[in-house]
Amino acid sequence: SQQGEEDPQALSIQEGENATMNCSYKTSINNLQWYRQNSGRGLVHLILIRSNEREKHSGRLRVTLDTSKKSSSLLITASRAADTASYFCATNPTGGGSNYKLTFGKGTLLTVNP
Amino acid sequence: GAGVSQSPSNKVTEKGKDVELRCDPISGHTALYWYRQRLGQGLEFLIYFQGNSAPDKSGLPSDRFSAERTGESVSTLTIQRTQQEDSAVYLCASARQRGAGSGEQFFGPGTRLTVL
Repeated sequence: SQQGEEDPQALSIQEGENATMNCSYKTSINNLQWYRQNSGRGLVHLILIRSNEREKHSGRLRVTLDTSKKSSSLLITASRAADTASYFCATNPTGGGSNYKLTFGKGTLLTVNP
Repeated sequence: GAGVSQSPSNKVTEKGKDVELRCDPISGHTALYWYRQRLGQGLEFLIYFQGNSAPDKSGLPSDRFSAERTGESVSTLTIQRTQQEDSAVYLCASARQRGAGSGEQFFGPGTRLTVL
């Protein structure tokens, strides 16, 4: 079953607005990562947040992690048309002999209208 | 430097034929992953290679699927007797794997497989 579940499934905004995507997961994690995918091809890593971190920034990206609620959010500020893509969260579980794995959600399709 | 490359980029085959997909990881990356992504879906883990250790094949959906990797180099994913349900994008990723926990994975552009 999917570990990470993104919400919403699809989001449409105007250029310049902020976009917020959420991710919920079920088990304990080492870290949580966000990836971007254009046109159903390769994924690009955006940001990694460790389980002992609560917030992280990278350029126009802000990620939060709440391990008590097993949830994360990705905020893209001042969105651009070029931000149009699918965004996936991926969780790296602790222990169990599978801590090298990432489990991906189904993604949020973000459309930024010019 | 060069990223992860995959070939072919697109493959159309007839049901029942065998296909072989190739992945060239980033040099020095000891970890290599194969994923399957059906249309509009997330990534489904297939197999993991780490150096010369035994691979984790737990995600392979059937015995028609197999993969090989020699050392820390090229990997091939083979699907025998393809079925229409095998149609998907097959993504390869590599990573530096040091110690516990998984860091950033670097993805190839994928191979879009269509089984007619």
